[in-house]
Amino acid sequence: AQKVTQAQTEISVVEKEDVTLDCVYETRDTTYYLFWYKQPPSGELVFLIRRNSFDEQNEISGRYSWNFQKSTSSFNFTITASQVVDSAVYFCALSDLGPYGQNFVFGPGTRLSVLP
Amino acid sequence: NAGVTQTPKFQVLKTGQSMTLQCAQDMNHEYMSWYRQDPGMGLRLIHYSVGAGITDQGEVPNGYNVSRSTTEDFPLRLLSAAPSQTSVYFCASSGDRGELFFGEGSRLTVL
Repeated sequence: AQKVTQAQTEISVVEKEDVTLDCVYETRDTTYYLFWYKQPPSGELVFLIRRNSFDEQNEISGRYSWNFQKSTSSFNFTITASQVVDSAVYFCALSDLGPYGQNFVFGPGTRLSVLP
Repeated sequence: NAGVTQTPKFQVLKTGQSMTLQCAQDMNHEYMSWYRQDPGMGLRLIHYSVGAGITDQGEVPNGYNVSRSTTEDFPLRLLSAAPSQTSVYFCASSGDRGELFFGEGSRLTVL
């Protein structure tokens, strides 16, 4: 069965610190997709990144970077030089029924608070 | 571009009442789904649809019905509301890259 674990329930950092959010997943499929979503205090869910199981290249987008390691079944998310606007709940998700996400499983989320 | 639109945003029901949460998307996505979000549990899939006329159950389908008569619309029906259905509900659709596009959410309270 699929499972996504986000062991960090809550993290607090001071602005400009770097922070890494951990995500560990379980799946028996060889083809799967991993995602990160952001849920700011306003409540909407914002897509951040999609990574398929065949692409282990790390990705950087501005202050955001993602480290995908199949050997440890991890897909960690790092925010560099955090800002108050990064305060949100971040969800890691797994889909292993194809690219249309027919069976998403979400982790419980990590609440990040960035203090000024 | 409206994306995924959910209504209502807030609703209070009494136990036993029925209601329908509406969801519409204008991106011509075949895949649509409903999730509920409860504290500490992430999002859990209620029902999903891979196209008009096709629906299937997710992880927590009990107490909910869905139908998909058009590509655009995917309503979620609560037949007899229970306090355990107090939650925030999200409708989502999925495009050809696989990521989910979410509506703004509907906060439901069942007294």
